[in-house]
Amino acid sequence: AQSVAQPEDQVNVAEGNPLTVKCTYSVSGNPYLFWYVQYPNRGLQFLLKYITGDNLVKGSYGFEAEFNKSQTSFHLKKPSALVSDSALYFCAVRERTGRRALTFGSGTRLQVQP
Amino acid sequence: DVKVTQSSRYLVKRTGEKVFLECVQDMDHENMFWYRQDPGLGLRLIYFSYDVKMKEKGDIPEGYSVSREKKERFSLILESASTNQTSMYLCATQGAAANYGYTFGSGTRLTVV
Repeated sequence: AQSVAQPEDQVNVAEGNPLTVKCTYSVSGNPYLFWYVQYPNRGLQFLLKYITGDNLVKGSYGFEAEFNKSQTSFHLKKPSALVSDSALYFCAVRERTGRRALTFGSGTRLQVQP
Repeated sequence: DVKVTQSSRYLVKRTGEKVFLECVQDMDHENMFWYRQDPGLGLRLIYFSYDVKMKEKGDIPEGYSVSREKKERFSLILESASTNQTSMYLCATQGAAANYGYTFGSGTRLTVV
């Protein structure tokens, strides 16, 4: 069975500082990995995905994530946080074969203070 | 861009009622999914479908059923709503290619009283 862990319920960072939102996963074989963001009372918006190739993936709004196979991690990062980045972030995984559905972590709330 | 439309943004139903949540997509995607979102639990998969009239149970199917009579429409059915089904429900679609992205609807916040 596949699973995702987001160890932090909330991350607080000052505007202009770098941010990291952590994600580790468990899956059979090589994974597809995703990050989504959710603003209040909205659906999920796609940020970025790792499929294959370069371990550093760049996505929307200046976000990036690094796939680390040995540590089974896919942490989300941004060099300089904005107040508008405050939202709920979800990491998700699926196997390359078998069930097509994503398995999500519990979510991390990012709070960026002015 | 793919558009995924969930018919109701907010819904209030009584215990024991039969509830239908509708999801419609406009891009001919084969794969459709229903999730529920609860604080601290993330999104959990209820049911999914790979094609018309085809359905498979997800991780928490109890108390739910689904219907997919047309490719563009995937309905979630609560046969007899209960208060523990109060939640945010999200529909998602995905194209045929294995590495294709997933697109989510805006969600339906269901309250069962």
